[in-house]
Amino acid sequence: DTEVTQTPKHLVMGMTNKKSLKCEQHMGHRAMYWYKQKAKKPPELMFVYSYEKLSINESVPSRFSPECPNSSLLNLHLHALQPEDSALYLCASSQGRGGAWDTGELFFGEGSRLTVL
Amino acid sequence: GDSVTQMEGPVTLSEEAFLTINCTYTATGYPSLFWYVQYPGEGLQLLLKATKADDKGSNKGFEATYRKETTSFHLEKGSVQVSDSAVYFCALSRSRSNDYKLSFGAGTTVTVRA
Repeated sequence: DTEVTQTPKHLVMGMTNKKSLKCEQHMGHRAMYWYKQKAKKPPELMFVYSYEKLSINESVPSRFSPECPNSSLLNLHLHALQPEDSALYLCASSQGRGGAWDTGELFFGEGSRLTVL
Repeated sequence: GDSVTQMEGPVTLSEEAFLTINCTYTATGYPSLFWYVQYPGEGLQLLLKATKADDKGSNKGFEATYRKETTSFHLEKGSVQVSDSAVYFCALSRSRSNDYKLSFGAGTTVTVRA
């Protein structure tokens, strides 16, 4: 299994709603990432979890709250978002360093397309 | 810090034409280099990679060679198809303690016409 699975694929929410994006991988990877991507722009890093601990927060507003319940799961909790937060949210995973196939590759999911009304 | 520069396009080609997308990078040491592709409405897919100097990555008729002397990783395909229409991102991977930080180029939109 070499997939990163993201749910839901599409999400529409109001500015007062609370919702969550979910990401799952079963490749035994120990690092997981959230990226935000606007149309035809490169992905922007939001958060990184390594061994289930938050290792990077790229100064993301507190209305985005990440959670890593275990090494296979990554959530992004959304609350009081703004219309400009509408974007494709990508989850990715990678092996911990020193693995047999340590190439620095990130494996991306298909993304969750978020629309904030 | 690390950075990646790629031609932004858009690039419009006819089927069976030759495609080149230039990519250069700035980094210390020996990062891994990648080309990711994003088809309309989809997520990012790894197209090819190279992990050391002079490595050639190849996939689906696309090729790119890791050139340390020119700090380049240009993407080429000899004969494109309509199905190659997508956004292409060049990326550099920097290792950290337990994870990696990807630096992306701006992306190049390629449209192939029948």
